[in-house]
Amino acid sequence: GAVVSQHPSWVICKSGTSVKIECRSLDFQATTMFWYRQFPKQSLMLMATSNEGSKATYEQGVEKDKFLINHASLTLSTLTVTSAHPEDSSFYICSALRAAGPSYEQYFGPGTRLTVT
Amino acid sequence: DAKTTQPPSMDCAEGRAANLPCNHSTISGNEYVYWYRQIHSQGPQYIIHGLKNNETNEMASLIITEDRKSSTLILPHATLRDTAVYYCIVKSGNNRKLIWGLGTSLAVNP
Repeated sequence: GAVVSQHPSWVICKSGTSVKIECRSLDFQATTMFWYRQFPKQSLMLMATSNEGSKATYEQGVEKDKFLINHASLTLSTLTVTSAHPEDSSFYICSALRAAGPSYEQYFGPGTRLTVT
Repeated sequence: DAKTTQPPSMDCAEGRAANLPCNHSTISGNEYVYWYRQIHSQGPQYIIHGLKNNETNEMASLIITEDRKSSTLILPHATLRDTAVYYCIVKSGNNRKLIWGLGTSLAVNP
């Protein structure tokens, strides 16, 4: 159990276009999901916390108007990179929180490789 | 949440135990030690976590020192598929965010 999927697994787009990445919790409901970005040879950087039915919470330095997050259901969060530029090329990873007793466990998707040309 | 310190890289022979250390000298009493790993170009995978006591599951064992200032993740019989970056993260139970360091890049050699 506790499977998280992402779609697409990789995408190539032209500079100036928008790209949507989906994150789904397949066998559990997740009121909270997270979006991370990872550049080559670097660690994961938290971009934002996606909350079902409410606005996402963005980390400092992350442009909310550029990285649009929608968490419209308990199993789906989407990240849209608007007006993408080559510097947005990165590995985007989502995770979903699942209740585990008194605390929560975080399960990760396989990641989406975005290349902006 | 407390910060952690891990060696940047380690090597291990296939079939041998891999012992990955982590220092977390500023850990608080309510903070857990979590271990994740990330195989190249994949999402992170949860391995194990603990508070005070040593823990073991089908993947690994976690040994936490009595003062809780450091821990060791043990992969008892490392395989080539265990080659990955291993992250040690400390967080409190009610904090939902994970703060990632650079981890330890483990290379399991044939």
